[in-house]
Amino acid sequence: ETAVFQTPNYHVTQVGNEVSFNCKQTLGHDTMYWYKQDSKKLLKIMFSYNNKQLIVNETVPRRFSPQSSDKAHLNLRIKSVEPEDSAVYLCASSWDWGVAEQFFGPGTRLTVL
Amino acid sequence: QQQVRQSPQSLTVWEGETAILNCSYEDSTFNYFPWYQQFPGEGPALLISISSVSDKKEDGRFTIFFNKREKKLSLHITDSQPGDSATYFCAARNNNAPRFGAGTKLTVKP
Repeated sequence: ETAVFQTPNYHVTQVGNEVSFNCKQTLGHDTMYWYKQDSKKLLKIMFSYNNKQLIVNETVPRRFSPQSSDKAHLNLRIKSVEPEDSAVYLCASSWDWGVAEQFFGPGTRLTVL
Repeated sequence: QQQVRQSPQSLTVWEGETAILNCSYEDSTFNYFPWYQQFPGEGPALLISISSVSDKKEDGRFTIFFNKREKKLSLHITDSQPGDSATYFCAARNNNAPRFGAGTKLTVKP
């Protein structure tokens, strides 16, 4: 099956903890993205990697850091989570940076207590 | 600053009616406009897209109308079905990262 896979589906944690989310795409795409979707459904791009190289780093807090081992994997680490980090984190991929169509994973819902 | 705006925020239609979802943008360099459909608990899925060189794109019951001069586009869903109930996102793309609108939540009543 070719798609974008994310783990975990849900994660509940306490303020100050560290969390990591994983994303894998089996579509053979060169570009991967992390988005944050808040409770109002607003989608904001956080990071993008093109063939393992970071090419977009929107203004996000330093406690967020993307990690890519190869072009099929893009993980997201959050050090010392805060309540405002509660959201759905969506991973996406596209054939290339210049390609508008993106394929999204199902998301990881983070709840920070 | 919201570069891509969508209206209405929510829309309810009856089964069989045509739903019209609107989108506008500010940046004239945007040249590609994909629409995504998102069901609860899932990620957005590409539905239909249009480039700025076209004024209409049709795919089954889904049609995009594009007005470059006014920087507006709309998604028409004809013969709406309850299964079309979802949130629809308009996105815009140039050489930078894609920008998404805030979405329109569509409810189709049987």
